[in-house]
Amino acid sequence: DTAVSQTPKYLVTQMGNDKSIKCEQNLGHDTMYWYKQDSKKFLKIMFSYNNKELIINETVPNRFSPKSPDKAHLNLHINSLELGDSAVYFCASSLRGLYEQYFGPGTRLTVT
Amino acid sequence: QQQVKQSPQSLIVQKGGISIINCAYENTAFDYFPWYQQFPGKGPALLIAIRPDVSEKKEGRFTISFNKSAKQFSLHIMDSQPGDSATYFCAASPNAGKSTFGDGTTLTVKP
Repeated sequence: DTAVSQTPKYLVTQMGNDKSIKCEQNLGHDTMYWYKQDSKKFLKIMFSYNNKELIINETVPNRFSPKSPDKAHLNLHINSLELGDSAVYFCASSLRGLYEQYFGPGTRLTVT
Repeated sequence: QQQVKQSPQSLIVQKGGISIINCAYENTAFDYFPWYQQFPGKGPALLIAIRPDVSEKKEGRFTISFNKSAKQFSLHIMDSQPGDSATYFCAASPNAGKSTFGDGTTLTVKP
């Protein structure tokens, strides 16, 4: 029973392309997040949605656009991909007010 | 400005030894301090967490020590095992707000 799932697991694409990553959680949580983990394993929050409302929007290039169609889903669309976008992107979810975050397995994005 | 400083960056411990990872924070509004464990190719998973009203929390071989006045907290892994080899992240968050993560510690436990 997968709690937080992401698709695809691997994504290899060329510079300039547009790609999307999808995330779904079946934990009944109301808050979802996108994190970026770089090659040094630093984990940085990018966005957070609570009940489909954007509540955290870190300093991220506007080529990155999150979208939450409902509480259980959070997608990340990236336009005009750059080499520096290569990283592992993690989706996470929590029940707001309870702090604990549950992470998905990650999507490894490689931009060539 | 890095709000949570984690050290060491990497740690090598012999099997059966004690692994200690330290974190220091700046924001006094933080009121939740979790530790996450991440194995290669996997997402981080919550290991243990503490709130500032207690100075220590123990779960099995894992213990968090918390020093509110010094604004520091640490993870102790007793009787470290090769299966504990992973990257460990401390984090801190204020009142269910945004979590700030430390830079991670890569732990290697040698058999």
